[in-house]
Amino acid sequence: QLVESGGALVQPGRSLRVSCTASGFTFGDYSMSWFRQAPGKGLEWVGFIRNKANGGATEYAASVKGRFTISRDDSKNIVYLQMNRLRTEDTAVYYCSGGWGWVDPWGQGTLVTVSS
Amino acid sequence: EIVLTQSPGTLSLSPGERATLSCRASQSVSSSSLAWYQQKPGQAPRLLIYDASSRATGIPDRFSGSGSGTDFTLTVSRLEPEDFAVYYCQQYGTSPRTFGQGTKVEIK
Repeated sequence: QLVESGGALVQPGRSLRVSCTASGFTFGDYSMSWFRQAPGKGLEWVGFIRNKANGGATEYAASVKGRFTISRDDSKNIVYLQMNRLRTEDTAVYYCSGGWGWVDPWGQGTLVTVSS
Repeated sequence: EIVLTQSPGTLSLSPGERATLSCRASQSVSSSSLAWYQQKPGQAPRLLIYDASSRATGIPDRFSGSGSGTDFTLTVSRLEPEDFAVYYCQQYGTSPRTFGQGTKVEIK
């Protein structure tokens, strides 16, 4: 099971960190991904972080590269998405999920609204 | 970037009918690295098919996936009331991972 938290209303240019807490599986063995879905739109990949065995490497979509950072704390079973210099177009429900290719399971999502 | 184009945009069918959804890639998807997800209003997506044709755990066998290269298909052999939803294909053979725009399967 995956549970996201931390979504909020933030002003453009500000930062926000959302979290995803995992349970029911060996979190440290899994790479983890973040996706988002703008209101009424389709799914968009944000990025992923590999597990420690694969060096914890990260990759990001071009739309967020340099602004967003994915990290993980395997001792707490949490993956984070740090979002800096937020833009209005970052408004979306953010989902975490297990894996870095096909992904399963998915969390229920957390809403991030960027507006002044 | 691999662009995935799904067709049709909307499919209007009755329960019990067969649904055939298409996903076409702008270039070959390596190792048939293509997945299908189902999403219902207000819910997170659910994995149905991975590696083009492998059913995810717990997915009924009325769902099947096929294809390779640039053309992929999701088939629902007999639609149940709970199958009316939006379906997305996703490729994960290369980065960036990309999704199709979705096909909505609605009740006729």
